[in-house]
Amino acid sequence: GAGVSQTPSNKVTEKGKYVELRCDPISGHTALYWYRQSLGQGPEFLIYFQGTGAADDSGLPNDRFFAVRPEGSVSTLKIQRTERGDSAVYLCASSLVVGLAESTDTQYFGPGTRLTVL
Amino acid sequence: KQEVTQIPAALSVPEGENLVLNCSFTDSAIYNLQWFRQDPGKGLTSLLLIQSSQREQTSGRLNASLDKSSGRSTLYIAASQPGDSATYLCAVRPGDRDDKIIFGKGTRLHILP
Repeated sequence: GAGVSQTPSNKVTEKGKYVELRCDPISGHTALYWYRQSLGQGPEFLIYFQGTGAADDSGLPNDRFFAVRPEGSVSTLKIQRTERGDSAVYLCASSLVVGLAESTDTQYFGPGTRLTVL
Repeated sequence: KQEVTQIPAALSVPEGENLVLNCSFTDSAIYNLQWFRQDPGKGLTSLLLIQSSQREQTSGRLNASLDKSSGRSTLYIAASQPGDSATYLCAVRPGDRDDKIIFGKGTRLHILP
């Protein structure tokens, strides 16, 4: 596609429920990132994939959060037993490849999924 | 731990003025620095990316400078327009090239018509 797409654009759920957020990166991009942006804050890193594997998951806040990228393209962020503090905009970004050349490092961001936990 | 700070948090200026947004970071060992624009309800758009070996980048009315040794960057916007109203985010990639981006909280800019 032309850019990074994320679905759904908005998600409202109740405390304790399970949610899945989807990211479709730019075709051919091998690196994929998830960030979380709370109101009035900058995006905070959650997890980074290089291909199918999670190269860095140091930003995941706890074990309720999990992300997969089984075929090295689409990624799903999964949140179990949601809490009100999980409410935020979840941003996905992709880049062509990491660490080889300046021109390929730029991250392209999707529009985000706004998650509201009631 | 790398921290990115942006000043001011919000700024309102009349249309046509030149303005400067400031960004500072605590660890000078960075790979690159990037300025993004974020419009309400939308994702981030990359404006300028400065590699650690560079001092500045220009794109149209935008000019970003980088002083790595002092941990500072500025985004200069010339002849501001109402369409420039948005949140501007500064972000650094740490010295490890295959790592995440660390963002500041942003500056909310409002250009008065």
